[in-house]
Amino acid sequence: IAGITQAPTSQILAAGRRMTLRCTQDMRHNAMYWYRQDLGLGLRLIHYSNTAGTTGKGEVPDGYSVSRANTDDFPLTLASAVPSQTSVYFCASSPKPGNSPLHFGNGTRLTVT
Amino acid sequence: GENVGLHLPTLSVQEGDNSIINCAYSNSASDYFIWYKQESGKGPQFIIDIRSNMDKRQGQRVTVLLNKTVKHLSLQIAATQPGDSAVYFCAEAAGGTSYGKLTFGQGTILTVHP
Repeated sequence: IAGITQAPTSQILAAGRRMTLRCTQDMRHNAMYWYRQDLGLGLRLIHYSNTAGTTGKGEVPDGYSVSRANTDDFPLTLASAVPSQTSVYFCASSPKPGNSPLHFGNGTRLTVT
Repeated sequence: GENVGLHLPTLSVQEGDNSIINCAYSNSASDYFIWYKQESGKGPQFIIDIRSNMDKRQGQRVTVLLNKTVKHLSLQIAATQPGDSAVYFCAEAAGGTSYGKLTFGQGTILTVHP
């Protein structure tokens, strides 16, 4: 089934550790996005990529980095996790950066202790 | 409707009733609006979208209304079913390549009673 695959589904991480959340899509979408979802704050954009080889900062980029080496993969890295990064992380994609809705994965639930 | 705060707005309806979920947006430059449905443990699922050159758009059992004068968006669900129970989010974006950079509301919890 075509779509977005996120891994892991959930993770408990000690503060200070490095973590990479994986996201792969098989729809050949050009644009990809990372959002975090926190109760009461909705979904907030962390980083995005309009096409392979380019990335940009969203609303809450601090403490996170991304790369887009190819069309299908868009990993999100926490270099040194902090408890405030406890959240549910959603990866999304769209055919192009504009004029089309986003398709979301099922998320990664991350707890930083 | 949606507002700032830790408690999500809630809407409870009986099966078969029509539901109306409201959303106020703040950016007058926004020209693309979208509704998502999110079930527990899953990612948001696209329902319907509308662009600012329209004030109404219909889908299967759903209608989105846009009032740009008062910056208000609503989602109407006809003949609501228990499977419609979920959190509903509105989202907005400004034009051009900002379409994918959606700004989401906090969500409304819809509960449908059989």
